Order: sequence, then C-alpha cells, then structure tokens
Amino acid sequence: EVQVVESGGGLAQPGGSLRLSCAASGFTFSSYSMNWVRQAPGKGLEWVSYISSSSSTIYYADSVKGRFTISRDNAKNSLYLQMNSLRAEDTAVYFCARGFRAAAGAVDYWGQGTLVAVSS
Amino acid sequence: DIQMTQSPSSLSASVGDRVTITCRASQGISNYLAWYQQKPGKVPELLIYGASTLQSGVPSRFSGSGSGTDFTLTISSLQPEDVATYYCQKYNNAPLTFGGGTKVQIK
Repeated sequence: EVQVVESGGGLAQPGGSLRLSCAASGFTFSSYSMNWVRQAPGKGLEWVSYISSSSSTIYYADSVKGRFTISRDNAKNSLYLQMNSLRAEDTAVYFCARGFRAAAGAVDYWGQGTLVAVSS
Repeated sequence: DIQMTQSPSSLSASVGDRVTITCRASQGISNYLAWYQQKPGKVPELLIYGASTLQSGVPSRFSGSGSGTDFTLTISSLQPEDVATYYCQKYNNAPLTFGGGTKVQIK
C-alpha cells in the first residue's frame, strides 16, 4: 500500500525555520517525482515545490522561492522541505504528494498533511 | 505565469443533475490538465489527467474535456457522495498551478 507520512509541523515565529519530512513506503520511492502542496485554513490548494526522482530538476512557487528548499534522500525513502524566513502567510497544512508517472506534474497520492502555524 | 480560473466558485444541484465545472488557463496548456476531488475533511484525490483520461477507480459519471485554454469537468448524474471541492491543475510546466476550486453541494 502506498503511504506518505508527513512530520515536522508545528508553531514557528515569523522569521523562524522549520523542517518538514515525509516518509514514503509501499512504492519505489527513487522512481517517482515528489511535491509539496499546501492548504491554508479554509482555503484552496497551493502547489509549493517539485523535485524529480533523481533531484536533478527542482521547481518552486514564486511565493516560497529563496526561502524554502526541497530535497530528498532516496536511500531513506524520504522527502524534505526546509522552510526559512517563515511568514504568517505560510500558515497551512503541508501535504507531501507523489508525482503521477503517467502525467508528470500531477499527483496521485497525498499524505494526511502536517500543520504549520506561523505566529508570534 | 499562467493563471488558472475556475467557475463557478460554488454550486448547488439536485441528486441526478448534470453538473459542469469550467477551468480556464490564461495561456494555452495543451491537454496538461488534471482534476482533483477533495471531500470535506479529506485529502485530495486525482480524478482526471490529460484533460480527459479517467484515473483508475473513478466512477464513469465523471468526465473531462477541453484543450488549450478551456476545460470542463462534468458529473453526468450528481450523487450525494460527490459533495466536495473540485480543483483543476496545470502541469505542462512550473509553476504547477491549481485553480481556486469549485465547491459542489446538494440542493
């Protein structure tokens, strides 16, 4: 069974940092691209970042470029999101999402999400 | 960047009704469009990719069409379990932008 489980969310102060992790199982992690997608409370989905299977291609939304860094460790079946210079508008549930191989860029499995709250 | 605009933002329809949701891209994206369903309190699920290809396990009452800038998601006969918010997403290139969502309710 495909599973992706996020961790690392919590309360951070404006300007602070957090590192999210995503543990993947039930599939060959190294063969799939991965994404982070977020959803602010009561709001819609916002794509945050994409990383290819080999980490050779990385993309970011303009809203997080220069502040967030996506990475992965295929040996540990893990995806990460280092979030620096956090702002109140980064408050959201962050989903780890597996890239869909038949349609690169779309996602076919989502974790349950981890809540990041940025407040003083 | 290409913007994705969905309409309407919400709708209410009766069980058995045909429901159509529109997604418009500000520039052409060929058929690089996906649709997702997010039920209340749940994570999103992929419904359609390639603008019109149904993901495995998705009921056949769902269909997608369109190419270029204009796309539609149709539910041929609305069921109570279809109450959800529906999102389109472009994936031709980054940013992989989602539409604002369409909330579907039962009248």
